[in-house]
Amino acid sequence: GQSLEQPSEVTAVEGAIVQINCTYQTSGFYGLSWYQQHDGGAPTFLSYNALDGLEETGRFSSFLSRSDSYGYLLLQELQMKDSASYFCVLGGSQGNLIFGKGTKLSVKP
Amino acid sequence: DTEVTQTPKHLVMGMTNKKSLKCEQHMGHRAMYWYKQKAKKPPELMFVYSYEKLSINESVPSRFSPECPNSSLLNLHLHALQPEDSALYLCASSQDRRGGETQYFGPGTRLLVL
Repeated sequence: GQSLEQPSEVTAVEGAIVQINCTYQTSGFYGLSWYQQHDGGAPTFLSYNALDGLEETGRFSSFLSRSDSYGYLLLQELQMKDSASYFCVLGGSQGNLIFGKGTKLSVKP
Repeated sequence: DTEVTQTPKHLVMGMTNKKSLKCEQHMGHRAMYWYKQKAKKPPELMFVYSYEKLSINESVPSRFSPECPNSSLLNLHLHALQPEDSALYLCASSQDRRGGETQYFGPGTRLLVL
């Protein structure tokens, strides 16, 4: 089967940098994505790593190491609006997404 | 236009009712998905349609019946639901049903079964 592990909650202050780690077990996958979901909202795509290394998109960066079955999402210059749940997601070969349990990020002033 | 729309936004139904959820996208995407999300849990995949054909059914009970009338529309027909089926039902679409394709989610239908 496939499984992902990520911290359930993270708290940080405005302007800080936070890293949300994700470890996974899978027999095969296309890549690791990150989705953000605000309370009451829909998941929205943030970042995707098909290959090992770092991908940067504005204040957000994501990293993947297939050899270590590990990835992370880095959020810089945190803003209050970044308070949300963040899911690491395995992309299956059938187009299916397998979501981790999510990390609830709380940004404090 | 990167929008996926879903109707209704909220739905309350009894266990003997029949209702339908609707999803629409006009991005030319050829893959569409239904997910179920319970409170404080991640979305769970229910069905995948690719080129209007059902390609994945994640062992969903038959009281949920998906339908893809055309490439822009996806329906989920509900019949004889149970209270434990109360959840947020999310529709998503992607360019294709390939691994790694970004999925665009609609706002969801919040369903309450009494």
